[in-house]
Amino acid sequence: DADVTQTPRNRITKTGKRIMLECSQTKGHDRMYWYRQDPGLGLRLIYYSFDVKDINKGEISDGYSVSRQAQAKFSLSLESAIPNQTALYFCATSDGQANQPQHFGDGTRLSIL
Amino acid sequence: RKEVEQDPGPFNVPEGATVAFNCTYSNSASQSFFWYRQDCRKEPKLLMSVYSSGNEDGRFTAQLNRASQYISLLIRDSKLSDSATYLCVASNTGGFKTIFGAGTRLFVKA
Repeated sequence: DADVTQTPRNRITKTGKRIMLECSQTKGHDRMYWYRQDPGLGLRLIYYSFDVKDINKGEISDGYSVSRQAQAKFSLSLESAIPNQTALYFCATSDGQANQPQHFGDGTRLSIL
Repeated sequence: RKEVEQDPGPFNVPEGATVAFNCTYSNSASQSFFWYRQDCRKEPKLLMSVYSSGNEDGRFTAQLNRASQYISLLIRDSKLSDSATYLCVASNTGGFKTIFGAGTRLFVKA
């Protein structure tokens, strides 16, 4: 089983719909992240959380919200989806100690029509 | 200017070739550096961390030059399976700011 699991893996939806992407991890990491990836732009950070009571905006948080329901769960919501939010979304985790790399889930491919 | 810059490539090399990727970072507070590998439409996977003294893992060698704010990855004896996009990453102490480069695409040909 994957250490970092994202659901759904693929989603096609319409403009204006509310969408939730979920992420769960079995690595026991305190830190969790949500990124989006667009061709030519690389990974861009949307939100991150360093523990259950900690939520921080990343580079591109507008139009998104998150919830850290437990140490192992971090969900990303698009309250009213728009076409330019079509992208590949990744959840990642890392250990709380300094200088540790991030570990990624399989990704969610989201298309908004 | 992007905080982490990489040559987007693509690099097209024959099997057995040696290929080098370069990366520059602009934030002098960056303390941790990594190389990730990403296959098409898949998640990035950690290839190796980069240490000031340089480090090697099999055919892969990573170097860090803090004075020039420059990171490199050398792949020797390229394999077809090395074909992927390679992402350079710089992170400050505590990981509050981790920046991924846009990646360098590598194609290894038979």
